[in-house]
Parts: sequence; C-alpha cells; structure tokens
Amino acid sequence: QVQLQELGPRLVKPSETLSLTCAVSGGSINSDYWTWVRQPPGKGLEWIGYVFYRGITTYNPSVESRVTISVDMSKTQFSLKLASVTAADTALYFCARVREQPGGHAVFDSWGQGILVTVSA
Amino acid sequence: DIQLTQSPSSLSASVGDRVTITCRASQAVNHYLAWFQQKPGKAPKSLIYGASTLQSGVPSRFSGSGSGTDFTLTISSLQPEDFATYYCQQYRSFPYTFGQGTNLEFK
Repeated sequence: QVQLQELGPRLVKPSETLSLTCAVSGGSINSDYWTWVRQPPGKGLEWIGYVFYRGITTYNPSVESRVTISVDMSKTQFSLKLASVTAADTALYFCARVREQPGGHAVFDSWGQGILVTVSA
Repeated sequence: DIQLTQSPSSLSASVGDRVTITCRASQAVNHYLAWFQQKPGKAPKSLIYGASTLQSGVPSRFSGSGSGTDFTLTISSLQPEDFATYYCQQYRSFPYTFGQGTNLEFK
C-alpha cells in the first residue's frame, strides 16, 4: 500500500517561494501521475497540477505562471514549488497519486495527510 | 474551465436515511466524474470514479450514477461514519475541477 507524506516549511513570507516535497513509500514512483491539490481554510479543493513519472507536467492555469512540479525517482519523491506567494496561497496542501484505470479514468487513489502552509510576514 | 455545482450545499440526515447528492457540470464530462469523501482535517478519500465504479474497499451502500452533465451520489443507509463533506470532481478536461462540496450533518 503506497503511502505519501508532505514535507516542508509551514510558514512562508509573502513574495517568496513555497516549496514542498511529497515522500512516497511502499510503492514505485516510476509509474502513474503524481499530483498536488490544495484547500484554503474552510473552503473547497483546487487541483494545482501533476507530473507524469517521465517528467511531463500539466498545470492549472490559475497558477501556471508560478508553479513547478517535478519528480525525483532516485529519492522516490516529487515536489511543488509555487513562486511569488500571497496570503491567497495559504492552504492545506495535499499530494496524491493519480492512477490511470482502463477507459482513461484518472483516479486520485492515494493521498498524503496534508500540510497547512501559511503565507504571512 | 468546467464548473461543477453540487446540491444541496449542506444536508441534515439521520442514521439509516437514504441520501442523494447531485453534481451538475457546466459542460458534458461524459462519465469522467469522481466522488470523494472528506472528514475535517483529513485528506479526501476516493469513493467512486467513472461516475459509477466503486473504489476498492468502499462499502456498497455508496453508489453513483449519471453521464454527460448530471450526476448523483447516493448513500442507501447512512452510517455514523458517513457524516462528512462530499465533493465531485471532473477529469474530462484540464484543469481538473471539484464541486464546492456538500456538508452532510447529523440531524
């Protein structure tokens, strides 16, 4: 059973870069898609983007100019970098695995516990 | 972006009740629609994908239906552990989007 855990600073200053890592254990990272989803306090879910294990990325246009998602297969982890953050980027950030099922179904089947990142001076 | 609108936004029910949550898409998503359950402070849990395929390990009291723009999640007999927030999600096109959520509360 694959397990994911988000790691990184919980406080980031405005205009700086938010950097998170998702450590993957109990399974291989050299398959599937690996994704980030965030949830502002008291609000709904927003998909940020994902990386295919071969390094191909797709991002949400809402953050595309500021975001980089990458995978490090040697360390079985993937990462999120979000530049020029503001208070609006304060959220619970989740990493997850997206497994493609027959028929083209992108199933978000395994999730990390989430990490609350606050943007504040 | 494809907008997903869930109704109701909140719902009060009792153990044993049959509950239905609706998700309407702003454009057709075929059957590329998933449902998640989320409890406070926890990660979402995948319940259903492909509009009606139950994720492994999910109790059979959960079911999904629909295609195109209109979808439903039904819980046939509510159990205490089912009180949570439910989200629909489309993965028909980028960016993937979620509904605003339905908060299922104990009556």
